Amino acid sequence: GESVGLHLPTLSVQEGDNSIINCAYSNSASDYFIWYKQESGKGPQFIIDIRSNMDKRQGQRVTVLLNKTVKHLSLQIAATQPGDSAVYFCAENISGAGSYQLTFGKGTKLSVIP
Amino acid sequence: KAGVTQTPRYLIKTRGQQVTLSCSPISGHRSVSWYQQTPGQGLQFLFEYFSETQRNKGNFPGRFSGRQFSNSRSEMNVSTLELGDSALYLCASSAPSYEQYFGPGTRLTVT
Repeated sequence: GESVGLHLPTLSVQEGDNSIINCAYSNSASDYFIWYKQESGKGPQFIIDIRSNMDKRQGQRVTVLLNKTVKHLSLQIAATQPGDSAVYFCAENISGAGSYQLTFGKGTKLSVIP
Repeated sequence: KAGVTQTPRYLIKTRGQQVTLSCSPISGHRSVSWYQQTPGQGLQFLFEYFSETQRNKGNFPGRFSGRQFSNSRSEMNVSTLELGDSALYLCASSAPSYEQYFGPGTRLTVT
């Protein structure tokens, strides 16, 4: 059949506000999760990761929360800036044992209003 | 440290032809993975190579194949191209600590 483009959820935030992007993952056996940022015309850029034995990890202006009970992942961006405008993807590694087979979410488009 | 590089960046091919894409990982990274990104299906895993061996494989037809060389550089090949193969093909290499870094991608257009 004809493929239809993904309709990405969009989050619009005011510059300086905090952003929260949510993601549901599918495999309860996934041991590693990553958030990526993708700008137009570029490959995904690593933001932050978290392993399944943790529930929170902080980076520079970003925090990832992992709730294994409900299979939910969130990315919090503090003091959002125009340069944060991009599509954000969560990914889970379903392979385990140190190898890689990432399953990506559909993505969320973040628009920062100056 | 140089990032992941992919060549060519853009490619136009005709249905039925074959294509080879190349990826050079970050120095010291031994795992290389390939992904296909389309507007309809999003980002989908193709395969992963480690030490010249395919370690994981996604759900793609046998027309999609790859290999890895002793210097960790990798190539992927698509034979008998179809219109639906038009996509951004992304290569990622991974550090021993698990972080996976992507290249800029090769934009393949099949006409």
